[in-house]
Amino acid sequence: KAGVTQTPRYLIKTRGQQVTLSCSPISGHRSVSWYQQTPGQGLQFLFEYFSETQRNKGNFPGRFSGRQFSNSRSEMNVSTLELGDSALYLCASSYFSGRTDTQYFGPGTRLTVL
Amino acid sequence: ILNVEQSPQSLHVQEGDSTNFTCSFPSSNFYALHWYRWETAKSPEALFVMTLNGDEKKKGRISATLNTKEGYSYLYIKGSQPEDSATYLCAFSGSAGGGADGLTFGKGTHLIIQP
Repeated sequence: KAGVTQTPRYLIKTRGQQVTLSCSPISGHRSVSWYQQTPGQGLQFLFEYFSETQRNKGNFPGRFSGRQFSNSRSEMNVSTLELGDSALYLCASSYFSGRTDTQYFGPGTRLTVL
Repeated sequence: ILNVEQSPQSLHVQEGDSTNFTCSFPSSNFYALHWYRWETAKSPEALFVMTLNGDEKKKGRISATLNTKEGYSYLYIKGSQPEDSATYLCAFSGSAGGGADGLTFGKGTHLIIQP
């Protein structure tokens, strides 16, 4: 079974721009969660999608948004990028719930904001 | 704001020795506790998902215990090997707020196995 894939793997943007990251879950998994990791911080939960609906949301500003498609693929968007948005963004898929099921992580997208 | 603490932050262990570290989490509104291993340049890898007080899980030389009443979990590694070098993360899921929060991760224990 193919693992979780994320594209692109690396991205460089400038302040004020917007960015879209993509995540393809493991086949059959319906839940996709997104996380941000910055230096000195642990993994921080952004949001979780299940069956095209946002089920949970972390404590991030509205500039961070996401969506999920009918094939369970998910995208996250960050608008008006700030320097502090430079981070590793990970997505994880699980069969039903990211809270109680084993999550399988993708390789991440490294975003650098200049 | 949920507080998930892991200790120690880092640990150097001789190859062949056994070791353990701790994850502390809120004892109220417990739903699940996850353990992950994260090796450099790789994706986090799931080790265990624990949901019941007193749960004990084992995977090879790695095992974990859970005490939801006092809010802690231990991860044990028996006979450490160099390939065990990684950051070990725990993540808490609570049932408060109608499940509005996802997983809250600790900052991890960075384990280095010295040959």
